[in-house]
Amino acid sequence: DVKVTQSSRYLVKRTGEKVFLECVQDMDHENMFWYRQDPGLGLRLIYFSYDVKMKEKGDIPEGYSVSREKKERFSLILESASTNQTSMYLCASSFEVVEKLFFGSGTQLSVL
Amino acid sequence: GESVGLHLPTLSVQEGDNSIINCAYSNSASDYFIWYKQESGKGPQFIIDIRSNMDKRQGQRVTVLLNKTVKHLSLQIAATQPGDSAVYFCAETHGNQFYFGTGTSLTVIP
Repeated sequence: DVKVTQSSRYLVKRTGEKVFLECVQDMDHENMFWYRQDPGLGLRLIYFSYDVKMKEKGDIPEGYSVSREKKERFSLILESASTNQTSMYLCASSFEVVEKLFFGSGTQLSVL
Repeated sequence: GESVGLHLPTLSVQEGDNSIINCAYSNSASDYFIWYKQESGKGPQFIIDIRSNMDKRQGQRVTVLLNKTVKHLSLQIAATQPGDSAVYFCAETHGNQFYFGTGTSLTVIP
């Protein structure tokens, strides 16, 4: 089974802090994604990556950046956390670009 | 813009009954559809998918129906069990991007 592992289940940070969310997948998938999930809204795409060192902006990239130095690892970075970035963050991976996504368990981030 | 939605935010069913969860989409070019289940505190879990060249697909206790004429997708769960209680949401794709619905919360009454 595909396993997508997110490093933290819960995080509490202060406004202005730099925050790193880590994601690792073990199935040699080319494609990796970061979404945020907020009540009443569908999942919204922040960034995605088709290959190592490649990244593409999603629908809501403002305030975020990403890093993909190795195929299995995709990191989401909040350069200066703000309260409106309090959310559930979900990492996902897929073998083909348009194919079922496998999700991690999520990181619930609270920015105070 | 893209619109993917569900008809009901909540659904309660008796254990053993069949459940039907609906989803409407707006883009007639959408060609791949997925249903996900998300239990409390967990990430979304793949249930079943269907491509636009099909109108029905069956899995274990689940069936997905696609009506392209009215742009409607449904998930049927047979003999619903307490472990089926979760939020269910649909996703559709066209081009290289997924678009997700907001979810229906299914509660199974013992």
